Amino acid sequence: GESVGLHLPTLSVQEGDNSIINCAYSNSASDYFIWYKQESGKGPQFIIDIRSNMDKRQGQRVTVLLNKTVKHLSLQIAATQPGDSAVYFCAENLGVVGSNYKLTFGKGTLLTVNP
Amino acid sequence: GAGVSQTPSNKVTEKGKYVELRCDPISGHTALYWYRQSLGQGPEFLIYFQGTGAADDSGLPNDRFFAVRPEGSVSTLKIQRTERGDSAVYLCASGTSSYNEQFFGPGTRLTVL
Repeated sequence: GESVGLHLPTLSVQEGDNSIINCAYSNSASDYFIWYKQESGKGPQFIIDIRSNMDKRQGQRVTVLLNKTVKHLSLQIAATQPGDSAVYFCAENLGVVGSNYKLTFGKGTLLTVNP
Repeated sequence: GAGVSQTPSNKVTEKGKYVELRCDPISGHTALYWYRQSLGQGPEFLIYFQGTGAADDSGLPNDRFFAVRPEGSVSTLKIQRTERGDSAVYLCASGTSSYNEQFFGPGTRLTVL
């Protein structure tokens, strides 16, 4: 079936470097994409989202890029800090814009930031 | 303000027993979701409530799983005749009806021996 997946299961970076986490999705009808951060023992925490009518969105130290042509999503974290160490999930939402529908998550990428 | 809370944080039970997992959503959130997360995997959708009714229960794996939200706030996920394969972290999330952002609770870690 269709699913959201990740290219890299683990990523190790030095503090201060930029991190890029990638995600591939297979459903061209996906309308909304979200990146979540999950620390050990905690629930997923919203980082940033992007709708299918956009190709880039920026937040505080984070940028999400969406390439609909190749169905690829990436999360860029600038000046990565030890507190950024966590598992990062991309998720897609197949629902109608403006409505709350279930999220389909990928497997996750473990980001480790070395001091 | 208070976020989504879930109780208990950990639950250990024996195979065949019945368990209830509780979720207290953010006040005023009409949408409530249950997900299940196995070790090393992303959360998997179980059920979605809009108000008191289950709008989408397509993710429930079988009829041993049931969830209720009688007053449109607190929800309880019920699992009958638990099996070892039910061991996972059960996550609850809530949201408003106007936005897609879902706020997750810390989860309940269920271990079936």
